[in-house]
Formats: sequence, structure tokens, C-alpha cells
Amino acid sequence: GAGVSQSPSNKVTEKGKDVELRCDPISGHTALYWYRQRLGQGLEFLIYFQGNSAPDKSGLPSDRFSAERTGESVSTLTIQRTQQEDSAVYLCASSLLAASYEQYFGPGTRLTVT
Amino acid sequence: EDQVTQSPEALRLQEGESSSLNCSYTVSGLRGLFWYRQDPGKGPEFLFTLYSAGEEKEKERLKATLTKKESFLHITAPKPEDSATYLCAVQAGSNYQLIWGAGTKLIIKP
Repeated sequence: GAGVSQSPSNKVTEKGKDVELRCDPISGHTALYWYRQRLGQGLEFLIYFQGNSAPDKSGLPSDRFSAERTGESVSTLTIQRTQQEDSAVYLCASSLLAASYEQYFGPGTRLTVT
Repeated sequence: EDQVTQSPEALRLQEGESSSLNCSYTVSGLRGLFWYRQDPGKGPEFLFTLYSAGEEKEKERLKATLTKKESFLHITAPKPEDSATYLCAVQAGSNYQLIWGAGTKLIIKP
């Protein structure tokens, strides 16, 4: 079956603009995760959804970051008033359930803020 | 504090030269340890899940093992296409989040 897909694959935006990143998880996966990966660094957890609810948003770096999930499917990560330090690859992953199940990752969205 | 440490940071091997990557962890109540492979410009690709000490899993030239303090990813007779960054992550207690290591960059020279 289809894997996790993300769009766009690349996004270049000017400082101060808003951006929306989209994630389509594997069908039937109830858990969805967003991560940030800066160049040459490890994965930084941002937010997790169980169904359409986000039990913990504490990983979001600032109030400029928000995310939603609808229909227990597609999720959107929105970054408002982008800053240069937001430049990174944003990865989405989904898993069948949250507890002790492997996560399957999308290819990521490379965000560059100029 | 829960922590995952991978070593070495980078490993250069000749094709066919077997070796091991290490993932040591200090967590309370291990629920699962995960190995992923990440190629440049791509998302991590799931390899293995280990749940309890003594467990082993194999896939082609890779074998993952788990003890109460660490996991090893053994690579036997590697090929250049095995070159990638290998990531280890742990899920512990009631926490749904994975705790990630920084990865080991593996380079296999032909």
C-alpha cells in the first residue's frame, strides 16, 4: 500500500511569511507525528496526534507553530511569521497505534527561509 | 533523565569488513527499541523493533540484538549500498514519544 506522503517536497519562503506543510499518513494509522531535523542533526519531536487530538503540544518550538489533523487522516503543520532558524527538514510519521509500534516516515519537506 | 547514545558517530569500513554499531540507553521501563536507516535527503526507514533483552532480529546483512543496557546493530560483509545513517530510538514507560539517538553515519568503501 501507499506510504506516508508529504507536500511540498521543498519550500522556499521569505522571512515573515506563513507556510503550511501537509502530511498524508498511511491509511488506518491512528497515530501521527511531526519532527524537525536540522542539517546534520537528530530528530526533534514537535507534536503527536492520536486520532484528531494532540495530547501533547509541548514539543512545538514557539506559538508560531501549530498543527491540526482532520478525519483521522491528513495533518497540516503551519508556521507563522517564519524565521531563518525555522529552516530544516520537517518529517511526518504515522504508526498503527501510539504505544510500542514502529513509525513509518514520509520523505520530508525541506523548508528554507531566506 | 531518559537518554539514548549512539556510537561511533561515524564509521568507515571497506566492503566486506564486518562491524557493529552501538546504541546505549538509560530509560525507565523499556517498551521497545527501534532501529532505522536514513539515506541523505530521505525520511528514516524502519528496520527493526526489539522488545526484551535477549531478543535478536535479522534482515539481510543486518542483525540487531538487545541487552538490558544497549543494543547492537551488527553488519556482516557490508556493501556500498549499506552506506547510510543508522538511527536508534527508544520508547519507555507510558511515554508515547520516542527518544532518539543522534545516529551513526556508516560509509562502506568499495
